[in-house]
Amino acid sequence: EVRLVESGGGLVQPGGSLRLSCAASGFTFRSFPMNWVRQAPGKGPEWVAALSAPGDRTYYANSVKDRFTISRDNSNNTLFLQMSSLRVEDTAVYYCAKPRSVLLRSAFDPWGQGTLVTVSS
Amino acid sequence: DIVMTQSPDSLAVSLGERATINCKSSQSVSYSSNNKYYLAWYQQKPGQPPKLLIYWASTRESGVPDRFSGSGSGTDFTLTISSLQAEDVAVYYCQQYYSTPGFTFGPGTKVDIK
Repeated sequence: EVRLVESGGGLVQPGGSLRLSCAASGFTFRSFPMNWVRQAPGKGPEWVAALSAPGDRTYYANSVKDRFTISRDNSNNTLFLQMSSLRVEDTAVYYCAKPRSVLLRSAFDPWGQGTLVTVSS
Repeated sequence: DIVMTQSPDSLAVSLGERATINCKSSQSVSYSSNNKYYLAWYQQKPGQPPKLLIYWASTRESGVPDRFSGSGSGTDFTLTISSLQAEDVAVYYCQQYYSTPGFTFGPGTKVDIK
């Protein structure tokens, strides 16, 4: 069974930093690109970032470009999201999501349960 | 970025009746080389992550009941629940996974029981 477990969320002040992790199991992690998606309270999902399987190509939403960094450790089956210069509007549940195929352009299945990031003073 | 819109914002349907949700993309989400539509539908229940129902616009994910179906072409797509069940109460989102960066989602359609 594929499992994705996010951690690292919490309360942070505007301008602060936070590092999220996503522990993956049940599939060959190193073969799949991976995604971070966030969902603000009462809103629809917003794709945040994607990373190629070997970790050499990154893709970011304009809203987080130059502030967030996606990375991975294929030896330990873990995906990361380093977030800096955080803003109030970054408040959301952050999900990691696996594509249903090894192609970057794939629907997301499954998603983790998410970790809540709250940016507030 | 490709903008996804959905209609209606919400709908209430009697048990056993049909529910229809529409999704429109601001530009094409298909490649002529493979004739596939890079369009997915997700179901989200309160406190849960989104769950994939349909991909390639019309392919049902394994385990998804056959009362859920997807259709469409060009820039207009539809999710149909043929006979609404109580467990289908949720918010439904469409998503395009055609353009990188920017796998954009629609704003969602809330489905309730009438």
